[in-house]
Amino acid sequence: DGGITQSPKYLFRKEGQNVTLSCEQNLNHDAMYWYRQDPGQGLRLIYYSQIVNDFQKGDIAEGYSVSREKKESFPLTVTSAQKNPTAFYLCASSPIGVEQDGYTFGSGTRLTVV
Amino acid sequence: GEDVEQSLFLSVREGDSSVINCTYTDSSSTYLYWYKQEPGAGLQLLTYIFSNMDMKQDQRLTVLLNKKDKHLSLRIADTQTGDSAIYFCAESSNDYKLSFGAGTTVTVRA
Repeated sequence: DGGITQSPKYLFRKEGQNVTLSCEQNLNHDAMYWYRQDPGQGLRLIYYSQIVNDFQKGDIAEGYSVSREKKESFPLTVTSAQKNPTAFYLCASSPIGVEQDGYTFGSGTRLTVV
Repeated sequence: GEDVEQSLFLSVREGDSSVINCTYTDSSSTYLYWYKQEPGAGLQLLTYIFSNMDMKQDQRLTVLLNKKDKHLSLRIADTQTGDSAIYFCAESSNDYKLSFGAGTTVTVRA
């Protein structure tokens, strides 16, 4: 079955640590996205990539970094520069140009700073 | 999500109809979407409507689109406890990105 997998489901970070969230898809989608979700604020776009080895900042990129070395993978690193990283992180993917399919989302990673 | 607005909460009695409303700003949006998010999970595409349609029905779901007012609604008939979730409205843009609303939390009471 094709799908998009995020890991881990829960992640705990100490102050000053970098952590990396994994996102892998086997849907052969060109585009991948990272969103942050906080209660009452909906989804905010962190980074997105529409092609391998290229990515663009979203609305809240500060304190985050990404890479897109393979079509299937789009890991997100939450750096120590992100002052309030506790949130639910969602990864999504989509084909380019087939709009009725919308996005396919992973099941999310909940990151907590301890 | 600033370009897409939704009310934040809706409470409905089991068996009644739910109506979730959304306004959007991009008149060039080709598709508009409704997603459902259950607690602790990702978003699931419920339905979409093409911009040249006024209405789309899919089993218990009815989507109405008023392009003049840039207003989209989702009606859930015979609402069940399993319909309790957060519902997101989204619009597509020219660069294939989606803009999401803040989500409407629907609570179904017995």
